[in-house]
Amino acid sequence: NAGVTQTPKFRVLKTGQSMTLLCAQDMNHEYMYWYRQDPGMGLRLIHYSVGEGTTAKGEVPDGYNVSRLKKQNFLLGLESAAPSQTSVYFCASSPPGPHSNQPQHFGDGTRLSIL
Amino acid sequence: DAKTTQPPSMDCAEGRAANLPCNHSTISGNEYVYWYRQIHSQGPQYIIHGLKNNETNEMASLIITEDRKSSTLILPHATLRDTAVYYCIVRYLYNFNKFYFGSGTKLNVKP
Repeated sequence: NAGVTQTPKFRVLKTGQSMTLLCAQDMNHEYMYWYRQDPGMGLRLIHYSVGEGTTAKGEVPDGYNVSRLKKQNFLLGLESAAPSQTSVYFCASSPPGPHSNQPQHFGDGTRLSIL
Repeated sequence: DAKTTQPPSMDCAEGRAANLPCNHSTISGNEYVYWYRQIHSQGPQYIIHGLKNNETNEMASLIITEDRKSSTLILPHATLRDTAVYYCIVRYLYNFNKFYFGSGTKLNVKP
């Protein structure tokens, strides 16, 4: 049981380059999330999705786009990377139900450096 | 959502119980208390959650005060592998998209 898998694990980009981070979950969860974590800080929500084909903005959405074409996958895109986007990115998923109190399950993160 | 306050760091001797406090004085009736931990930059790991009653699972116990303004996470027999940052999170039942992680408590388990 893989849970939540993120690829790649590490990446170095130059300013202005674009890339896509992939998150895949095998738990049939409806909800998926993207967070970023900067050094010494907690996690901040970038975007989230409540189901296939739907996405919404979180706390810090600027500079990012997301897509949820398949239930099990949630993609995070950086169209024009900036040094301020250097961070560790975590994906999470949680069970179905709009009023669920069930916890989120996290991947191991993607460490992204932008030069 | 209610905010939480945690001490920035705590020490615990290996084999002893680790008691991590969390203050959430503005918590409302429909807000759950969750605890996660993060070991050396790995993804956050769910530990336990509760609403009013004390909860226990294979990892830890959660003690919530009667007025719900604070809680304590108890690791009954801390090991070196429990060294991590522990996050206390309060989430409104209907705000599934609002899961605010603060700075947490760095627990140092020492031999």
